[in-house]
Amino acid sequence: EVQLVESGGGLVQPGRSLKLSCAASGFTFSNYYMAWVRQAPKKGLEWVATISTSGSRTYYPDSVKGRFTISRDNAKSSLYLQMNSLKSEDTATYYCARQNTMGTPDYFDYWGQGVMVTVSS
Amino acid sequence: DIQMTQSPASLSASLGETVTIECRASEDIYNGLAWYQQKPGKSPQLLIYNANSLHTGVPSRFSGSGSGTQYSLKINSLQSEDVASYFCQQYYDYPPWTFGGGTKLELK
Repeated sequence: EVQLVESGGGLVQPGRSLKLSCAASGFTFSNYYMAWVRQAPKKGLEWVATISTSGSRTYYPDSVKGRFTISRDNAKSSLYLQMNSLKSEDTATYYCARQNTMGTPDYFDYWGQGVMVTVSS
Repeated sequence: DIQMTQSPASLSASLGETVTIECRASEDIYNGLAWYQQKPGKSPQLLIYNANSLHTGVPSRFSGSGSGTQYSLKINSLQSEDVASYFCQQYYDYPPWTFGGGTKLELK
């Protein structure tokens, strides 16, 4: 059974940093692109970052580019999101998600339970 | 970037009814479309991929169709457990991978 378990969320002041982690199990982690998707309170879904199987390629939307860094440790089956210079608009539930990788990364076939990040003074 | 527009934003339906949710892309996405269900307080779950393929374990009352820029999700014989928000997502052209704004489905 595929399992994705996030951790590391919490309350942080604007301008500070936070690092999220995601522990994966039930599949061969190194074979899949992985991603972070967020959801602001009572809002829709927003893709935040994607990383290739080896970690050599990363992708970000303009809203977080230069502030967030996605990384992975295939030996530990773990995914990370380093979030710097946090803003109030980064307040959201952050989901770790596996991207189906049949040639190219496309849809998100499994999701974690999510972790809340609140940016407020 | 490809924009995804869902309609309606919310709808109310009765048990046993058939419900259809629409998703329009700003350009042709060549069936690179997925649908997700998010029940209250839970994480999103994949329902449909490649516009019309059912994900493992998803009930057959869910179906997807469409082509080009227009796609739809149909729920036959609505059940109480189908109360949720539904999101479409395109993966034909990326980055970014983009989602529709969502449709909140409630029971009448």
